[in-house]
Amino acid sequence: EVQLVESGGGLVQPGGSLRLSCAASGFTFSSNWMSWVRQVSGKGLEWVANIKEDGSEKYYVDSVKGRFTISRDNAKNSLHLQMNSLRAEDTAVYYCARSGYNSGGLDYWGQGTLVTVSS
Amino acid sequence: QSVLTQPPSVSAAPGQRVTISCSGSSSNIGNNYVSWYQQFPGTAPKLLIYDNNNRPSGIPDRFSGSKSGSSATLGITGLLTGDEADYYCGTWDYSLTAGVFGGGTKLTVL
Repeated sequence: EVQLVESGGGLVQPGGSLRLSCAASGFTFSSNWMSWVRQVSGKGLEWVANIKEDGSEKYYVDSVKGRFTISRDNAKNSLHLQMNSLRAEDTAVYYCARSGYNSGGLDYWGQGTLVTVSS
Repeated sequence: QSVLTQPPSVSAAPGQRVTISCSGSSSNIGNNYVSWYQQFPGTAPKLLIYDNNNRPSGIPDRFSGSKSGSSATLGITGLLTGDEADYYCGTWDYSLTAGVFGGGTKLTVL
């Protein structure tokens, strides 16, 4: 059974940093692109970043470029999102998701972890 | 303001059919596959349709997807009260080199 479990969320002050993790199991982690998607409470989904199977390609939404870094450890079946210079507008539930198809459809999602940026 | 445009809400009676539109451009829908997601309050999204019109295993054939030019459509037939949820379209945007979602559509089954 495919499982994605996020961790690392919490309360952080503006300008602070946080590192999210996503533990993957039930599939060959190194064979799939992985993504982070966030959702502000009561609002829609926002794609944040994704990373190729071997980590050689990474893409980001403009609003987080230069502040967030996506990475993966295929030996440990884990995905990470290092978030620096956090802003109030980064407050959201962050989901990790697997791309199950070459076209990018996200077929498995974690339960999400809440990041709150506030003083 | 989302890159992909969806109606904020749609409604229909139980048993009826509803469609949800998703409008984009040549840099996204026009040249890439579209996925559709269903989300209930407080839960993670669930993939309903991938590659424009394919259903993952376990998704009933009441759900269908189509694409024409730079627009895509999700269709749901035989509506159930349990279909009340938010629905999102998503794809890749080659100009932005980023994933994009529609703003979401809230389905009400009256």
